[in-house]
Amino acid sequence: KAGVTQTPRYLIKTRGQQVTLSCSPISGHRSVSWYQQTPGQGLQFLFEYFSETQRNKGNFPGRFSGRQFSNSRSEMNVSTLELGDSALYLCASSSFLDTQYFGPGTRLTVL
Amino acid sequence: DQQVKQNSPSLSVQEGRISILNCDYTNSMFDYFLWYKKYPAEGPTFLISISSIKDKNEDGRFTVFLNKSAKHLSLHIVPSQPGDSAVYFCAASEASGTYKYIFGTGTRLKVLA
Repeated sequence: KAGVTQTPRYLIKTRGQQVTLSCSPISGHRSVSWYQQTPGQGLQFLFEYFSETQRNKGNFPGRFSGRQFSNSRSEMNVSTLELGDSALYLCASSSFLDTQYFGPGTRLTVL
Repeated sequence: DQQVKQNSPSLSVQEGRISILNCDYTNSMFDYFLWYKKYPAEGPTFLISISSIKDKNEDGRFTVFLNKSAKHLSLHIVPSQPGDSAVYFCAASEASGTYKYIFGTGTRLKVLA
């Protein structure tokens, strides 16, 4: 069974731009969560989508948004990028009452 | 406010000895806890979990202990192997079945051959 895939793996943007990251969950998984990992902060929960609906949300500004499609694929968008948005963005998928399986992440660098 | 804390950023252990990684939490509503392992350039990999109705869960070389009164959990790896060298994250959630996991900042384990 293929794992969680994230594209692109690396991205360089400049301040003020916007970015869209993509996540394809494991086949059959309907829940997709997004996390931001920065040095010293660990993994911070952004949001979770289930059946195209946002089910949980972390404490991030409105510049961070996401969506989920009918095939469970998910996208995350960050608008008006700031230097502090440089991080590894991880996506995780899960099926009902199972644990989360993480993708390799997208490394975003904001210059 | 860091609800899940891993106060040791790094730990070195000799091969064959026990590795003990610690995690403290502040939210008494947490009732499901997990440990993940992360290698560079990879996403975290699930290791072991425990629900608040238990105080111990074992899976091969890995055992997680939960002390609810102290709001403390620990991961024991016995015996430690060089392949265990990675960053270990503990995570917690308020109810199993929901996926809003709160992660600690991680502990980098180095197992010396």
